[in-house]
Amino acid sequence: DTGVSQDPRHKITKRGQNVTFRCDPISEHNRLYWYRQTLGQGPEFLTYFQNEAQLEKSRLLSDRFSAERPKGSFSTLEIQRTEQGDSAMYLCASSPKAGAHTDTQYFGPGTRLTVL
Amino acid sequence: SQKIEQNSEALNIQEGKTATLTCNYTNYSPAYLQWYRQDPGRGPVFLLLIRENEKEKRKERLKVTFDTTLKQSLFHITASQPADSATYLCALGDRGSTLGRLYFGRGTQLTVWP
Repeated sequence: DTGVSQDPRHKITKRGQNVTFRCDPISEHNRLYWYRQTLGQGPEFLTYFQNEAQLEKSRLLSDRFSAERPKGSFSTLEIQRTEQGDSAMYLCASSPKAGAHTDTQYFGPGTRLTVL
Repeated sequence: SQKIEQNSEALNIQEGKTATLTCNYTNYSPAYLQWYRQDPGRGPVFLLLIRENEKEKRKERLKVTFDTTLKQSLFHITASQPADSATYLCALGDRGSTLGRLYFGRGTQLTVWP
C-alpha cells in the first residue's frame, strides 16, 4: 500500500504523560501536514513541512506540541504533559511537489488519542 | 477570521435520488475549494477540487459548483447509493500560497437509505 500511514492507530494515555505519533507520507511527497480533529468537527490545521523545514505552525500548537521531519521523509508529532483536552484524532496528510495534484492532500488513517 | 458553514449536520435521502450538499464561507477568498469524504474512524479521502476560476467540475456521479460571488459551493451526488453514506467535508485552500493549509467545515453526514 502506497498511501499515508500513521502509527499507532490508537493511543490511550494518562494525563501528564508524553506521547509521540509517527507519520509516513506517500513516497516522494515533499509536503506534509498535521491536523487535529475532534468529534463532530472538521480537521484543524496544526503544522506544515516542506521537506524537512517546518514552515508554518498554528496557534493551536502550544509549546507542549512539537513536530519534526528530520530527513524530509517521515514525521513525528510529540505532545508533552498531555491534558484531557488533547483527546482527538490526529491526522497526517501529504501532497506532491509538482504536477496536477499539488493542492490535493492525501490523508492517513489518523491516530486516535484518548487522555484519561 | 474565515468561517465555513456546511448545510445541516445530517442529510437523509432515498437511494437513486440526488444528494445536494452546501458549503458557504465568509471573510475569505479561497484560491480553491475541495470536497472530501470521511467514514467513521478514518481519515478524509479526496474527491474533487475546483479552483476560483472554474464554475463546475464533474467526476463520475459527482458534481461540484463554485460561486465566488455567492461564496458558496454545491456538491451533488447523482443516483445516490447506500455506499455513499458518509460525512462529506468542504475545505478551502489559501490564495497564492505555497503553504497549502486547508480550512475545513464541520461536515455534513449523508445517509442514503434503500
